[in-house]
Amino acid sequence: SQTIHQWPATLVQPVGSPLSLECTVEGTSNPNLYWYRQAAGRGLQLLFYSVGIGQISSEVPQNLSASRPQDRQFILSSKKLLLSDSGFYLCAWEDSWGAFFGQGTRLTVV
Amino acid sequence: GENVEQHPSTLSVQEGDSAVIKCTYSDSASNYFPWYKQELGKRPQLIIDIRSNVGEKKDQRIAVTLNKTAKHFSLHITETQPEDSAVYFCAAKGGGNKLTFGTGTQLKVEL
Repeated sequence: SQTIHQWPATLVQPVGSPLSLECTVEGTSNPNLYWYRQAAGRGLQLLFYSVGIGQISSEVPQNLSASRPQDRQFILSSKKLLLSDSGFYLCAWEDSWGAFFGQGTRLTVV
Repeated sequence: GENVEQHPSTLSVQEGDSAVIKCTYSDSASNYFPWYKQELGKRPQLIIDIRSNVGEKKDQRIAVTLNKTAKHFSLHITETQPEDSAVYFCAAKGGGNKLTFGTGTQLKVEL
């Protein structure tokens, strides 16, 4: 069966520090992969999505970037975090069976 | 690109009543329509989905209907229970091959 691993679950980082969130998927091949961000009590903001290795589409211009070095690995990065980057970050994968979310990373920038 | 609108933003029902959440989409090429339930502090969970070759799908107390001509789809929850209280999101996968979400509906089931 398909599973998705996202870590860490919580993270507290100072302003200006770098960020790296990783997501890996097991049990599927060539899935579409997504990064979403959710502010408290708000909806899901699509940040990046990928339909294959090295193929990244950015939805929102900001200080975040994403990479897909392997078919089932999706990484969200930042060189310098801003206070406004705080939120709940969710990785999701999608294939012919549907679309499913990882457990999420709650990021607090202080 | 795809645009998904969801209504209402909040919905309060009495236990045992039905709840209906509606979404519209803009891309006529959209072919996949999932619904998610998100409890406080947790990830969205897929609860039901429908593809464009089907008009209705039911799973126990939950059903989804799709009207391709009007480009709208709805979630129906019957015999609501307190544990149905959560935020519900609709989504649509358009011709751009990406999943676009609605803005969410906060459902509250009151005793």
